Amino acid sequence: DAGVIQSPRHEVTEMGQEVTLRCKPISGHNSLFWYRQTMMRGLELLIYFNNNVPIDDSGMPEDRFSAKMPNASFSTLKIQPSEPRDSAVYFCASIKSGGLAGELFFGEGSRLTVL
Amino acid sequence: AQSVTQLDSHVSVSEGTPVLLRCNYSSSYSPSLFWYVQHPNKGLQLLLKYTSAATLVKGINGFEAEFKKSETSFHLTKPSAHMSDAAEYFCVVSDKDNFNKFYFGSGTKLNVKP
Repeated sequence: DAGVIQSPRHEVTEMGQEVTLRCKPISGHNSLFWYRQTMMRGLELLIYFNNNVPIDDSGMPEDRFSAKMPNASFSTLKIQPSEPRDSAVYFCASIKSGGLAGELFFGEGSRLTVL
Repeated sequence: AQSVTQLDSHVSVSEGTPVLLRCNYSSSYSPSLFWYVQHPNKGLQLLLKYTSAATLVKGINGFEAEFKKSETSFHLTKPSAHMSDAAEYFCVVSDKDNFNKFYFGSGTKLNVKP
């Protein structure tokens, strides 16, 4: 299996521009998570989906952030408009949920720089 | 709610010496506990997990952790550090009522000196 695939790996954009980050979870995994990692705040959960349905989006910072999961193999995280404080590494992770807590599989991250 | 405290933000050891990374959790029940490792510019990778079986858990790359309920601890150890162990390590607890809820510690950066 190729693991969790994220794109782009690096994105540099200017303030006010729209940013779309993409994630393909591991096949057969039914839960997907978006995290943000910064030096100041560490790793923060933004949103997670179970069976393509958003379950908890309480970590989404504000209305500029939105996430979708149109099918079991694809999710997007969109920031519109972007701001310099959104600069961070964004990770997608997936898990096959059910029963005992299983292993979260992480992608390699998308490093976003907003100028 | 659960929480995880990693007692050291940075640990520095010499190659070949033991590693101890400390983690304490708060929980009113027996949780599931994990250690993840993150190498520079990489995603997080599972080292080991505890899910109420044996209290001493062995993971990859020679790491192990012991679940001590009386101390609410889940410290990570390795007998002999290798240069390739230099990374950031995260202790994680999961929510019994919602196995999709993971609580991450703030991380411990391990530096290994030659």
